[in-house]
Amino acid sequence: GENVEQHPSTLSVQEGDSAVIKCTYSDSASNYFPWYKQELGKGPQLIIDIRSNVGEKKDQRIAVTLNKTAKHFSLHITETQPEDSAVYFCAASSGTGNQFYFGTGTSLTVIP
Amino acid sequence: SAVISQKPSRDICQRGTSLTIQCQVDSQVTMMFWYRQQPGQSLTLIATANQGSEATYESGFVIDKFPISRPNLTFSTLTVSNMSPEDSSIYLCSVEASGRDETQYFGPGTRLLVL
Repeated sequence: GENVEQHPSTLSVQEGDSAVIKCTYSDSASNYFPWYKQELGKGPQLIIDIRSNVGEKKDQRIAVTLNKTAKHFSLHITETQPEDSAVYFCAASSGTGNQFYFGTGTSLTVIP
Repeated sequence: SAVISQKPSRDICQRGTSLTIQCQVDSQVTMMFWYRQQPGQSLTLIATANQGSEATYESGFVIDKFPISRPNLTFSTLTVSNMSPEDSSIYLCSVEASGRDETQYFGPGTRLLVL
C-alpha cells in the first residue's frame, strides 16, 4: 500500500518568514495530494490540494508543488502569521472513492 | 464543500461501555469515512461507509468493535463497543462531497476519553 512520509515533525518560524513542509509518497498510482490544517480541538481543514497533472498551485500565501518523478510534494507558506500555527497534514490518494493516506503531521509554530 | 457536524463533541466513558457517535452532513453524499486520531498522532482510516451497503473496514478494525450504520445519504453513526482506555482518541468522520471529486471534508471530531 501507499506510504506517506512527512518532514519536519515540528517547525518554528518567526512571523513574516516562510515555512516549508515536505512529503514523499511511494505509490506511483497516487494522483491527488491534499493538505490539511488542524487547529487544537478542531477537525482537519482542507487548505489546498494538487492533482498529478499540475506541478504547482498557489492560493494567496499558500502554495503546493509536486514532483511526480521524485514522488514528493511540498507545502509553502509565505509571510507567516501567528494564526498559521497549527498541525499540518499531507495526504495522498489514488482517486475518487479511494482512501487517503496521511503523513505523520507537522506542528508549525509562528513566533510573533 | 460540505458542512459536517458530529455528536457528541466529547465524552468521558467507563471501560466496558459503548458510545455511538453521530455524523450529519448538510448535503447528500455517497461516501463517508470514519477515522481515528490517537493523541498526537496522524489519522487512521477505520472504515468506509456507503449508503445501502455494508461498511468496508480497514486492517485492524472489525465490525464487532466498531459497528457502523449508514441509513441515508446525509447521516452515519460509528459505535465504539466494549471500550478500553486504548480507545481514547479523536474520532472523525469525513465525506467525499462529490462523486466527481475525491476531496474529503472533515467534521469537528469527537474526543473520547475512556477511564
